[in-house]
Amino acid sequence: DVKVTQSSRYLVKRTGEKVFLECVQDMDHENMFWYRQDPGLGLRLIYFSYDVKMKEKGDIPEGYSVSREKKERFSLILESASTNQTSMYLCASTSPGGVREQFFGPGTRLTVL
Amino acid sequence: DQQVKQNSPSLSVQEGRISILNCDYTNSMFDYFLWYKKYPAEGPTFLISISSIKDKNEDGRFTVFLNKSAKHLSLHIVPSQPGDSAVYFCAASYSGAGSYQLTFGKGTKLSVIP
Repeated sequence: DVKVTQSSRYLVKRTGEKVFLECVQDMDHENMFWYRQDPGLGLRLIYFSYDVKMKEKGDIPEGYSVSREKKERFSLILESASTNQTSMYLCASTSPGGVREQFFGPGTRLTVL
Repeated sequence: DQQVKQNSPSLSVQEGRISILNCDYTNSMFDYFLWYKKYPAEGPTFLISISSIKDKNEDGRFTVFLNKSAKHLSLHIVPSQPGDSAVYFCAASYSGAGSYQLTFGKGTKLSVIP
């Protein structure tokens, strides 16, 4: 079974803080994704990565950056957290070729005060 | 521009009856469609998928129908059970993207009433 883990289930931060969200997958997947989920807006893609040290902007990259130093780990960074970044953050991974299903982690509920 | 639309934010169904969740798409390049189920405070889990070369795919109580000419797909759950109560997301992708990015709809919250 594919396992995608995220470093925290719940996180509370203050405005202006730098926030790191970490995601690890154990299936040697090349592709990894960060989404945020907000009520009524569905899942929106923030960034994704095809390979180590590679990154591509998704639909809403503003205010975020990412890092992928190792194949199994994909980090989302909020450089200076703001209240409008309060959300559920979801990490996913998949492997090119064959099934296109993305496997999701349990999510991190981030609250920025 | 929303490429994948789920026009019903919510749906209530009696236990034992059929649940039908709908999804429309605008991008004719989409050739693979998926449904995900999401409980509160958990990540989405894959439910069922369909390739554009098919018009139906079945897995137990879940059936997905694809109407390419109408750019419409639907998920049927028969019979509905209280444990099916969750948010359901429709997603689409196309092979030309190379990354297998998924474009998600906004979700439909299904409530199955015992």
